[in-house]
Amino acid sequence: GAGVSQSPSNKVTEKGKDVELRCDPISGHTALYWYRQRLGQGLEFLIYFQGNSAPDKSGLPSDRFSAERTGESVSTLTIQRTQQEDSAVYLCASRSLTDTQYFGPGTRLTVL
Amino acid sequence: AQSVTQLGSHVSVSEGALVLLRCNYSSSVPPYLFWYVQYPNQGLQLLLKYTSAATLVKGINGFEAEFKKSETSFHLTKPSAHMSDAAEYFCAVSDQGSGNTGKLIFGQGTTLQVKP
Repeated sequence: GAGVSQSPSNKVTEKGKDVELRCDPISGHTALYWYRQRLGQGLEFLIYFQGNSAPDKSGLPSDRFSAERTGESVSTLTIQRTQQEDSAVYLCASRSLTDTQYFGPGTRLTVL
Repeated sequence: AQSVTQLGSHVSVSEGALVLLRCNYSSSVPPYLFWYVQYPNQGLQLLLKYTSAATLVKGINGFEAEFKKSETSFHLTKPSAHMSDAAEYFCAVSDQGSGNTGKLIFGQGTTLQVKP
């Protein structure tokens, strides 16, 4: 596709359930990022993938959060045993050769 | 460590007036600086970026920003506001170059209101 896509666009879950969020980057972009945007706050970096290198997980807030990416394709962000404070918009971005990050529309996660 | 401070969480201007959104950064390495805009219920769209070339950067929709190293600032301006400019604006800094991730560190955002 022309841009970064994310699914689902909205996810409502119950506290304690696991959720999986998906990101399809722009074709050819080797770098992929996940960010979190909580209500009324700026964006927080979560995790970074670059090709087949080990990911930078320094932004993950707890061990309940994990992410995978196979090669230079789709990435999934998994949150286990969701808590209410996990409610946020989760944004994915892929980076071009000109160092510009292009963002997807985000997944709005609501934990009840 | 890098950080970004956006002065003013809300800015209100009249249509046709000058828009000035302030951003100050902290970085131990030469920074790359970005302004993104977020319209309601949408993702972030790049307005402009500074990557160590010209200090005055022109972006989309008539916006521009000037990198001032001595002031560690990267303020966003537009000579004449349009109603369609109402949105949330984010300033961000990243570390580029070999060995760095290029992750973006964002400011808290500034909501721009444009009054008729």
